[in-house]
Amino acid sequence: SQQGEEDPQALSIQEGENATMNCSYKTSINNLQWYRQNSGRGLVHLILIRSNEREKHSGRLRVTLDTSKKSSSLLITASRAADTASYFCAYSAGDTGRRALTFGSGTRLQVQP
Amino acid sequence: DTEVTQTPKHLVMGMTNKKSLKCEQHMGHRAMYWYKQKAKKPPELMFVYSYEKLSINESVPSRFSPECPNSSLLNLHLHALQPEDSALYLCASSQPQGSGGYTFGSGTRLTVV
Repeated sequence: SQQGEEDPQALSIQEGENATMNCSYKTSINNLQWYRQNSGRGLVHLILIRSNEREKHSGRLRVTLDTSKKSSSLLITASRAADTASYFCAYSAGDTGRRALTFGSGTRLQVQP
Repeated sequence: DTEVTQTPKHLVMGMTNKKSLKCEQHMGHRAMYWYKQKAKKPPELMFVYSYEKLSINESVPSRFSPECPNSSLLNLHLHALQPEDSALYLCASSQPQGSGGYTFGSGTRLTVV
């Protein structure tokens, strides 16, 4: 399977702490994205990093990408209870016209108030 | 309009029924996707339409039949499903070429009895 792997599978922290999630994948990618999913409903796109970028920021989110190690990390700073959700990395790979996102296994984040 | 709308939100069907899931977007996206997600698992790609043509079928059983009537609509026709097909079915859209993020609908929770 080309599915990405994420760790940890579950993470519980206190409000105000930082949360770090890691993603590893097995193929060459065009870009890597992170999504949030609340309560098993639709996924929300958080941030995209291209294969030629190493770091990207968006508000309280920081994403890094190491293509030599085929890995990425998502850092959420100053977490809030509302950040409680499942987080998935997803990568785009393949030839133009046959690209679609493949998702990692996900990290369930619980932020305690 | 920056949404993907899926109907119905919940569906219970018998194994001999025929039903359809619907998905609509008005963002001008020319790629649309069906994903299947089981509980506590990542979304798994089923079908990709690019410019209203089926470009990827991830070896999905023929009891699932996709249709893209126009650039805004995507349907998934269901027939003779099995209980193991019970899952959350997610529709998404994006610009083609996989260069940007996906916009997901909130999904249809399907139960096959």
